[in-house]
Amino acid sequence: DSGVTQTPKHLITATGQRVTLRCSPRSGDLSVYWYQQSLDQGLQFLIQYYNGEERAKGNILERFSAQQFPDLHSELNLSSLELGDSALYFCASSPGFTGGLAATDTQYFGPGTRLTVL
Amino acid sequence: AQRVTQPEKLLSVFKGAPVELKCNYSYSGSPELFWYVQYSRQRLQLLLRHISRESIKGFTADLNKGETSFHLKKPFAQEEDSAMYYCALKDRDDKIIFGKGTRLHILP
Repeated sequence: DSGVTQTPKHLITATGQRVTLRCSPRSGDLSVYWYQQSLDQGLQFLIQYYNGEERAKGNILERFSAQQFPDLHSELNLSSLELGDSALYFCASSPGFTGGLAATDTQYFGPGTRLTVL
Repeated sequence: AQRVTQPEKLLSVFKGAPVELKCNYSYSGSPELFWYVQYSRQRLQLLLRHISRESIKGFTADLNKGETSFHLKKPFAQEEDSAMYYCALKDRDDKIIFGKGTRLHILP
């Protein structure tokens, strides 16, 4: 078990609604990453936070937002949901960003939240 | 544009045969490249990174800048290697781009 937890495991909602996905990183990890995995797009990087601050941004829609709280847990907010937002949303954590040159960069993934938009 | 391409969705290999999972990337600069693996019912996990030049579970991957490739290789496939493999690139802004993945199926 990598120690990254995500809640809920499954979420079923309707179009137009708003949901919040939660991620608790491994103890001591300062960075949190969010990914979306869908059948057609594969695994897409959404956003990264480091110690409460946004660090890197990927293909995150404007309808989506995230934040990392002082206790380092993170939430991904998805609003005005569309059918195409149905996917598996993964969170990962790492000790910290280092410019990619050290072992502290290794990401540990959570089990994911499966979102179904009907 | 930055891109990671894994041309094979599915690769079936007999046990004991060599394995090569292809990964090509498009990036202007020096990327950091990774291979991630997801075994059935398990989480995605890091397999190896080019910067470490390591061998994990018998797998190696060499960065070929001339061919912009980072193919994953193993000389003798084992049944437990069956999994989904993702190649990923991290750029200087820490953005991470994954390929669409290759499902490796080891035949007995």
